[in-house]
Amino acid sequence: NAGVTQTPKFRVLKTGQSMTLLCAQDMNHEYMYWYRQDPGMGLRLIHYSVGEGTTAKGEVPDGYNVSRLKKQNFLLGLESAAPSQTSVYFCASRLVGDTEAFFGQGTRLTVV
Amino acid sequence: GIQVEQSPPDLILQEGANSTLRCNFSDSVNNLQWFHQNPWGQLINLFYIPSGTKQNGRLSATTVATERYSLLYISSSQTTDSGVYFCAVCTSGTYKYIFGTGTRLKVLA
Repeated sequence: NAGVTQTPKFRVLKTGQSMTLLCAQDMNHEYMYWYRQDPGMGLRLIHYSVGEGTTAKGEVPDGYNVSRLKKQNFLLGLESAAPSQTSVYFCASRLVGDTEAFFGQGTRLTVV
Repeated sequence: GIQVEQSPPDLILQEGANSTLRCNFSDSVNNLQWFHQNPWGQLINLFYIPSGTKQNGRLSATTVATERYSLLYISSSQTTDSGVYFCAVCTSGTYKYIFGTGTRLKVLA
């Protein structure tokens, strides 16, 4: 039981490049979330999903797309990376209802 | 949307001191968690506490949902308690899990 696993852990991109971050959970959780954390700041919600095939916008969705084709995976895409997207990205998941969230270890992304 | 404010924003303690961190939220919530983000950036679950009181060793937490606040108590602080403490809430009727502004704690030896 690995919990919530994020891939990759580190990445450096050039401005304009694209990439996909993968979040995988093995706890059969319905809800999944993507956050970004800028230096010295709190976590801000980018997108979330309440089940397979569903996605919704969070607080800061611009510049990102997501997909939830399989229940256990939640993908975060950057189509054309910008330096402003340099951040640490966290994924989380939880069960349906009033339940606690579990977080991955984070992905440190630098856009140069 | 809901506003989640934490106080104090920064706190410096001597080892062995006690402290109280506060999380205020502007709307009704049905989920509330406390996390510790260590100096390596890892988020550690401390408490899932939408209401009531819980204790785990030197840490305890209380949520008074009707008055829209939660408190995290740290007793006999240790240098390993240093880091940032976040509360996160989910409002009734939504699925969004929103983080507070955080309290940065430094414990001096």
